[in-house]
Amino acid sequence: NAGVTQTPKFRILKIGQSMTLQCTQDMNHNYMYWYRQDPGMGLKLIYYSVGAGITDKGEVPNGYNVSRSTTEDFPLRLELAAPSQTSVYFCASGLQGAGYSNQPQHFGDGTRLSIL
Amino acid sequence: QQPVQSPQAVILREGEDAVINCSSSKALYSVHWYRQKHGEAPVFLMILLKGGEQKGHEKISASFNEKKQQSSLYLTASQLSYSGTYFCGTGDNYGQNFVFGPGTRLSVLP
Repeated sequence: NAGVTQTPKFRILKIGQSMTLQCTQDMNHNYMYWYRQDPGMGLKLIYYSVGAGITDKGEVPNGYNVSRSTTEDFPLRLELAAPSQTSVYFCASGLQGAGYSNQPQHFGDGTRLSIL
Repeated sequence: QQPVQSPQAVILREGEDAVINCSSSKALYSVHWYRQKHGEAPVFLMILLKGGEQKGHEKISASFNEKKQQSSLYLTASQLSYSGTYFCGTGDNYGQNFVFGPGTRLSVLP
């Protein structure tokens, strides 16, 4: 079972470049999330989606955009990359919302992004 | 609002016990616990819902006291494989606004 798949695993960008981090899940989960994790820190929610066509901002959305055209895919777009966006990005999915159910979040392996 | 975890870090010898606490300033509906090893993704341990239940997972168990707005993770007879950073995540009383805590780094030495 593939679960949650993120690509690429590593990427180096120059300041001002743009890129899309891909995330796909094969568990038919409605809920999907994007987190960033800075070195030695916790997980900060960037954006989340409760289903195809529905997205909403999390705690740290500035500088990012998302779309959810299908249940399976939830890409994260970085526009005009800045050094402050150097981080590890995790995509996660869940059958129900994390806050009000007994369903866990399933995490991808992460994308390690450096902006120089 | 982000929950508070304590301690920030703990070092154990194999076989020793540890308790990790997670507390919030708001009423909680759910508490999730995850473990993350260095360079890897977080891995689900358990979820506790409003009701003060206690759950167990091998030698790792947890309790949830909704009146005190806190949860505790208990690791007994720790093993080397328990090393990692433990995160709690909390959902508020309406089930919304899920947020992770800053983590507790656990190191188990031989």
